[in-house]
Order: sequence, then structure tokens, then C-alpha cells
Amino acid sequence: DQQVKQNSPSLSVQEGRISILNCDYTNSMFDYFLWYKKYPAEGPTFLISISSIKDKNEDGRFTVFLNKSAKHLSLHIVPSQPGDSAVYFCAASLRSGAGSYQLTFGKGTKLSVIP
Amino acid sequence: GAGVSQSPSNKVTEKGKDVELRCDPISGHTALYWYRQSLGQGLEFLIYFQGNSAPDKSGLPSDRFSAERTGGSVSTLTIQRTQQEDSAVYLCASSLMGIDNQPQHFGDGTRLSIL
Repeated sequence: DQQVKQNSPSLSVQEGRISILNCDYTNSMFDYFLWYKKYPAEGPTFLISISSIKDKNEDGRFTVFLNKSAKHLSLHIVPSQPGDSAVYFCAASLRSGAGSYQLTFGKGTKLSVIP
Repeated sequence: GAGVSQSPSNKVTEKGKDVELRCDPISGHTALYWYRQSLGQGLEFLIYFQGNSAPDKSGLPSDRFSAERTGGSVSTLTIQRTQQEDSAVYLCASSLMGIDNQPQHFGDGTRLSIL
């Protein structure tokens, strides 16, 4: 049972336009959400996060929106640049009974920004 | 370096052999996580360390898998009697611990191939 879903395996966007990556989750106990960017042969790089008490967090060209009632979050990148081309992972966490904040990841969306 | 360091970057071994993977977290990060990514799958949580103790081992797939952390820093993940289904990229992440969630920062992983 996939608790974090990224339904679009790939997305192509023209340089300068907005990229919107979507993520849905099923576990209402998740209280912290993150987006990671991954290049081939490298580990995921943290981009931006949002706590469940907020509905928006912005950092430069990156904005994450959280809709708790819909159990949906999205990452907006504007303007998109060719260097943004990578696989983007959505992740969610909650504090386990053992005290860890293990992350549950989606399967990723491959973003291609076309010059 | 300032990031999470993992070694080796690649490991090829024969089925039935034991392997040891190493993770050197970011200095000062007390929380350490191991994940793995099998082909075509998302990242899967394995084990969590807080300091030298591992209060959450719930993701370890079998008793062939074990991990330890000494001095609150370096961690090793050991897989005994490796099987072909153990082939994956093994990722380590570390984070600060506090009252609020902190983002996990990942190393570049160890790509393990079992022949």
C-alpha cells in the first residue's frame, strides 16, 4: 500500500515557464513533508519542506503548497531552468513510537526543462 | 567534506558473501537513517539511530541485516550471506534532532550488486 504517491512519472516544461509537481498521501498522521531533487548516481538533495500546520512555504524559485483536507501537496518551480532537470521525490514523515522520523517516499517524477 | 559520506560507492560481490557498508554523517547530526532503493522502487526505510542506539529497526528486511553506530558518528550496515534480491542502492541520511522535524541530508549511496 503506497502511502505517498506521485502519479506523474515524468513532466516536460519549457524554460522560463512554471513546473508543477504533485504528490498525494493517504496517512493523515503525516506531519512534515519534504521535496528532494535527485541527479543520477547522486543521493537525494533536500529542496524544501513544510510542516502540517502551514499551507505554503516559499524559498526563492521553489514554493510548496499543502492541502491537508485533500491530502495533497505540490511543488512549484518558477521560472524553470534547464538545471532543474532531475528526478523529484516527495517525502512525508511522522514521529514513530520509537522516536524516529522515518521518511516515506513517492516513486519520483522526472522533470525535463527544455531550453 | 561537509556532507554525508558513504563508502564504497560501488560494491560487486558474489551471492553468499558478507558485505559491510559505511556511513559518515554530517558532524553534529545525532540522528542517522539507512534507506535502500531497489530498481524501480522508491526509497525504503531500514533503520534509525539516535546517538549510538537504534530504537527503530522496523525496516530491516531480515535477520541477515544488522547495523551499528559507534561514538555517535560513523555507522556500518552489514548484510550477511547476501542474496540477489539485496542488490540495491543503500543510502544513509543524517539530521539534527530537536523538538521540530529537521530535514534529512543524504549521502550519494552505495550501489550494491550481488552476482
